[in-house]
Amino acid sequence: ETGVTQTPRHLVMGMTNKKSLKCEQHLGHNAMYWYKQSAKKPLELMFVYSLEERVENNSVPSRFSPECPNSSHLFLHLHTLQPEDSALYLCASSHAGGEATGELFFGEGSRLTVL
Amino acid sequence: AQTVTQSQPEMSVQEAETVTLSCTYDTSESNYYLFWYKQPPSRQMILVIRQEAYKQQNATENRFSVNFQKAAKSFSLKISDSQLGDTAMYFCAFGEADSNYQLIWGAGTKLIIKP
Repeated sequence: ETGVTQTPRHLVMGMTNKKSLKCEQHLGHNAMYWYKQSAKKPLELMFVYSLEERVENNSVPSRFSPECPNSSHLFLHLHTLQPEDSALYLCASSHAGGEATGELFFGEGSRLTVL
Repeated sequence: AQTVTQSQPEMSVQEAETVTLSCTYDTSESNYYLFWYKQPPSRQMILVIRQEAYKQQNATENRFSVNFQKAAKSFSLKISDSQLGDTAMYFCAFGEADSNYQLIWGAGTKLIIKP
């Protein structure tokens, strides 16, 4: 496989469930990102990992918990979500330090619906 | 705070026509980068074109070109000879040169190319 792969592509969960989103990149990048995409709104940066250390956390609620075990894998653990958390969650990767100067490579996204 | 505004929520043109998507931004910085990203339906977001603010020459990538007006803080995308495959959401994004991963995104323009 090449590029950035996200699983699952679609997820429906109740407010009391615990689930995880997975992202894997095969591009040799060392920075990975989680974005939230809601209709008609700008992308919201949630978390950034560079060289496996979290470097950015944009005041995301604690019901979202990221994990980056190595430079190729990124997880977003979800628990006790709210209906307003329903959105498309995008994973991206880049060379470290490259978001503003280089190119982001995105996965296809995980469509999350919270009932 | 920096902002990015895309004033056209949706546009549609006939195949082979030329279309221009608007983007304005607000910043007090002098050294930054601007991007146009394309997100086809149910597919990955990809970088279309990038402009460094210190370069006066407008960036061009095949049928895609930008009109970068630094004083006016305007960064429009022109698509020439539009094709059905250009149908997508288009996002304008701004990044400071030393932003440490924080891109500012517009809300997007939905472009429909009609046969």
